[in-house]
Amino acid sequence: GNSVTQMEGPVTLSEEAFLTINCTYTATGYPSLFWYVQYPGEGLQLLLKATKADDKGSNKGFEATYRKETTSFHLEKGSVQVSDSAVYFCALGSYGNNRLAFGKGNQVVVIP
Amino acid sequence: NAGVTQTPKFRVLKTGQSMTLLCAQDMNHEYMYWYRQDPGMGLRLIHYSVGEGTTAKGEVPDGYNVSRLKKQNFLLGLESAAPSQTSVYFCASSGATARPDTQYFGPGTRLTVL
Repeated sequence: GNSVTQMEGPVTLSEEAFLTINCTYTATGYPSLFWYVQYPGEGLQLLLKATKADDKGSNKGFEATYRKETTSFHLEKGSVQVSDSAVYFCALGSYGNNRLAFGKGNQVVVIP
Repeated sequence: NAGVTQTPKFRVLKTGQSMTLLCAQDMNHEYMYWYRQDPGMGLRLIHYSVGEGTTAKGEVPDGYNVSRLKKQNFLLGLESAAPSQTSVYFCASSGATARPDTQYFGPGTRLTVL
């Protein structure tokens, strides 16, 4: 079945640092990949997505590239701000199935 | 355009009590979902619906029931609440497309069962 694995543990970094959150997946066929963000006290919202291999999703300075050869969709941002403090979830969905498989999420804390 | 709304926002129940959580969406989406979010567990799918009048079990359906009598509403019921159901519940909706579509989430309901 479909599954998503995110790196363990929270991520704490200073403002303007480089952020990487790893996401790897297991799926049959050609899945679509998503990153969602959850700000404190809110629901999840879509950050970016990619629907086929080598696609790059981008939004608000965040980027992720769909790598079929390494089954990965790592999230990156070159210079984080305090306002980027949130929980980030990687998710996967298969063609013909609108159910998403979510990773466990990573808490990101950006210190001024 | 309110998107996805959930009521109530907070609720405290005693063990054995029942309650219904209401989710409403105004985007004319076919698909709707109920998730629970627990620390260290990510999001787990409870039940979902692929259209008015349909429901299906997700990953953790035990102890919950759902109904989708109207396209815009998706109700989640707890018949006899247990402390293990203390969680934050999120509703989501998405369009009916062959390729997985973006899911739009509500703000959540924080439920405590004593």
